[in-house]
Amino acid sequence: SQTIHQWPATLVQPVGSPLSLECTVEGTSNPNLYWYRQAAGRGLQLLFYSVGIGQISSEVPQNLSASRPQDRQFILSSKKLLLSDSGFYLCALNIAKNIQYFGAGTRLSVL
Amino acid sequence: QKEVEQNSGPLSVPEGAIASLNCTYSDRVSQSFFWYRQYSGKSPELIMSIYSNGDKEDGRFTAQLNKASQYVSLLIRDSQPSDSATYLCAAPFLVGYGGSQGNLIFGKGTKLSVKP
Repeated sequence: SQTIHQWPATLVQPVGSPLSLECTVEGTSNPNLYWYRQAAGRGLQLLFYSVGIGQISSEVPQNLSASRPQDRQFILSSKKLLLSDSGFYLCALNIAKNIQYFGAGTRLSVL
Repeated sequence: QKEVEQNSGPLSVPEGAIASLNCTYSDRVSQSFFWYRQYSGKSPELIMSIYSNGDKEDGRFTAQLNKASQYVSLLIRDSQPSDSATYLCAAPFLVGYGGSQGNLIFGKGTKLSVKP
C-alpha cells in the first residue's frame, strides 16, 4: 500500500526566511502528486500538482514554487516567506482515478 | 455559484441522531463526488465516494447524489462523538471547464459536533 511521508510536522519561521517542505511517497511508481494549503478558516487550496519528474503545474500564482527531482519526491519551496504563507500544508497522492490520499501535513507558522 | 459549496456550520447533533451534511455544485465539475473527514489538526481522509444518482451506503454512512438538483449529501446515522470533525465535499473539474482537468476542488467543509 502507498504511504506518504511529510516533514517536519510543525514549523515556525520568521518573515523573509526561506522554506523547503519535502514529501516522499512509497509503494507506488509514477504517481500524480499534489501540494495543498489550508489556511485558518479557509478551504483546501490546490497549489501545485505534478504528473512526473520535472513536471510541475501551478494552480495559483504566489510566493511559492515546487519541484519534483525524483519520481517519489515532491518539494515545496519559498525564497522569502510572507505572513500570508502560514497554514497547513498537505501533500497528496492519487491512489485511483480522482481519489487522493493525504500525508499527515506540515503546520507552518510565519511570524 | 462556486464550484463546490458547503454550509460551514457548525452543525450540532445529539449522540445517536442522524447528521445531514450537504453540498451543492456547479456545472463546472464532474458528477463524481468524494466526502473526506478531517479531524482537528489532522489531514483529510476519504470516507465515501459516489458516482451515480441515488444513494450509496457504507455502514453508518450514506451518500446521496441528486444530479437534477446539483446536490450531494452525506448522512451519518447513529452519530457518535467520534464523528465530530469537519467534512469536506470534493469533485473533479470537468475537462475543458477551466481549472485543472480532473483535479479535485474542495468545498470549505462543514464542522460537525456530536454532543454526548
